[in-house]
Amino acid sequence: SQKIEQNSEALNIQEGKTATLTCNYTNYSPAYLQWYRQDPGRGPVFLLLIRENEKEKRKERLKVTFDTTLKQSLFHITASQPADSATYLCVPMNRDDKIIFGKGTRLHILP
Amino acid sequence: EAQVTQNPRYLITVTGKKLTVTCSQNMNHEYMSWYRQDPGLGLRQIYYSMNVEVTDKGDVPEGYKVSRKEKRNFPLILESPSPNQTSLYFCASSLGRHNEQFFGPGTRLTVL
Repeated sequence: SQKIEQNSEALNIQEGKTATLTCNYTNYSPAYLQWYRQDPGRGPVFLLLIRENEKEKRKERLKVTFDTTLKQSLFHITASQPADSATYLCVPMNRDDKIIFGKGTRLHILP
Repeated sequence: EAQVTQNPRYLITVTGKKLTVTCSQNMNHEYMSWYRQDPGLGLRQIYYSMNVEVTDKGDVPEGYKVSRKEKRNFPLILESPSPNQTSLYFCASSLGRHNEQFFGPGTRLTVL
């Protein structure tokens, strides 16, 4: 069955450093992969989408890579700030109709 | 303002008492979804709709019903709620399935 793995333990990063979050997937051949941010008690907020034919996508301090051979996406936040503390969700998307979210990685940026 | 609204935001009910959670979007989106979120289980899709009158099951559809009579509305119906449906529920919409989803503020449901 389809499986998405994100770091289950919280990630603590010092302010100003680069945070790197990992999303691994199995039994998937996603055409797209999305990343969302979620704050406690609130709905997820879309950050970035990357297509299978794209290796890398950037948006301001965010960078996403997509390696279809390794079946992995990496999500980077450069020059991290305490306001970046949140849970980050990975969503690999096949061409069928269901949407399955990863369980997310909690990120804490320490001042 | 472009948004997804849900009502009610909080609801405490008892086992077996039918309830409906409404969801409405003002962005003319075709794709709409309902999710539930539980600690340790993440966000799971309950039902989705590709367009008006087109709905299909997500990963955890048991105990839920939906309808899509108009493009903007996608209500979630619990005909006979049970305690295991106590959860945080989110409605979301997007232009198409692969586009960014816009989420509502959530409905916290407790079934006693």
